[in-house]
Amino acid sequence: AQSVTQLGSHVSVSEGALVLLRCNYSSSVPPYLFWYVQYPNQGLQLLLKYTTGATLVKGINGFEAEFKKSETSFHLTKPSAHMSDAAEYFCAVSEGRSSASKIIFGSGTRLSIRP
Amino acid sequence: DSGVTQTPKHLITATGQRVTLRCSPRSGDLSVYWYQQSLDQGLQFLIHYYNGEERAKGNILERFSAQQFPDLHSELNLSSLELGDSALYFCASSARQSPANYGYTPDLYGYTFGSGTRLTVV
Repeated sequence: AQSVTQLGSHVSVSEGALVLLRCNYSSSVPPYLFWYVQYPNQGLQLLLKYTTGATLVKGINGFEAEFKKSETSFHLTKPSAHMSDAAEYFCAVSEGRSSASKIIFGSGTRLSIRP
Repeated sequence: DSGVTQTPKHLITATGQRVTLRCSPRSGDLSVYWYQQSLDQGLQFLIHYYNGEERAKGNILERFSAQQFPDLHSELNLSSLELGDSALYFCASSARQSPANYGYTPDLYGYTFGSGTRLTVV
């Protein structure tokens, strides 16, 4: 079964610093991978996704993630943090590729931005 | 506005009661997923409906049930409520119908989430 591990439940960086949120997955089939962001009192919003093709995926708000099969990782990065990036971030993996598939979410990483 | 509508936004009820949460998926989406988000359990998958049929069940209690109606909206029914049922309940939709691609995989599109229903059991 597919699973996702997010390393670090809380990450704090200074405004303007590099953001790195770690995600490792386990999958018996080529995975579809996702990053979602949740702002306070809101639902989850898709940041980016990897399905096939280019392993470096660019998303909204300047975020990007790289699929590394050899490391079973899909870390999320942003070169320069902004105060508005403070939120909870969820890495997720699709459990399959059929219409019955569901997405399994990691436990989330809360990102705090220091002024 | 994500296009997925959940009502009500907030619900306060007493233990032992029954509530119904409603979700209208994004126009054209056939799949509806229900998730429970709590501080101690994180985001837990409850159940998935596709075009009116139950497709997958997750960690859904027997006191909980769901259905998807012909117009594709879905309802999550929670009964005999306990304090521990207090959580945010999210609905998400996916799987746009594509006449040109019956073999599409809904996962390609990710999910579109509603803003959730915050349930407080007192």
